[in-house]
Amino acid sequence: GENVEQHPSTLSVQEGDSAVIKCTYSDSASNYFPWYKQELGKGPQLIIDIRSNVGEKKDQRIAVTLNKTAKHFSLHITETQPEDSAVYFCAASIENNDMRFGAGTRLTVKP
Amino acid sequence: GAVVSQHPSRVICKSGTSVKIECRSLDFQATTMFWYRQFPKQSLMLMATSNEGSKATYEQGVEKDKFLINHASLTLSTLTVTSAHPEDSSFYICSARTTTAANYGYTFGSGTRLTVV
Repeated sequence: GENVEQHPSTLSVQEGDSAVIKCTYSDSASNYFPWYKQELGKGPQLIIDIRSNVGEKKDQRIAVTLNKTAKHFSLHITETQPEDSAVYFCAASIENNDMRFGAGTRLTVKP
Repeated sequence: GAVVSQHPSRVICKSGTSVKIECRSLDFQATTMFWYRQFPKQSLMLMATSNEGSKATYEQGVEKDKFLINHASLTLSTLTVTSAHPEDSSFYICSARTTTAANYGYTFGSGTRLTVV
């Protein structure tokens, strides 16, 4: 089955700096790669996703890149703000199948 | 957008009792829903896939007789933790797959914090 690895497990940045979180996956058939933000005591919220037919997607301060050959994808957050502090999860799935999550990255943005 | 409502958000029960958690898709029909369990500071672990009108598919190591899943309608899936024990205390989260003509996605509920005393 699919195995998703995520690094780093914790990340601390200064407000205004960029943050990058990386994930690798094992199943080359996976074609959907979402990123979720989870705040304490809440369910995950989708922040951006990418499908295997594109290499990069951007939404304001958030961008995701995908390298299918290397089977890795990354989340980039620019101009970080304290409210970006949360746990971020990457995930991978094959269309219409269940989703497997990375272990999560606890991002702390220091004001 | 797609909304998934999960209730209750918090529940405390005594050992040996059963607890039911509901997951509803509010503005779309969900033929497939997923149930996850999350321990503190850990990732989401898939417990089972719930398909409307058929039996749920459980992940290896998940006791189907302990975690009963019912998906009787296109908008409701329930997870019942039977004969709960303190080790069942956890954060349970459901998600539903949304499908449009263009693509698909997954929407999560807000989670249920179960504490068994």
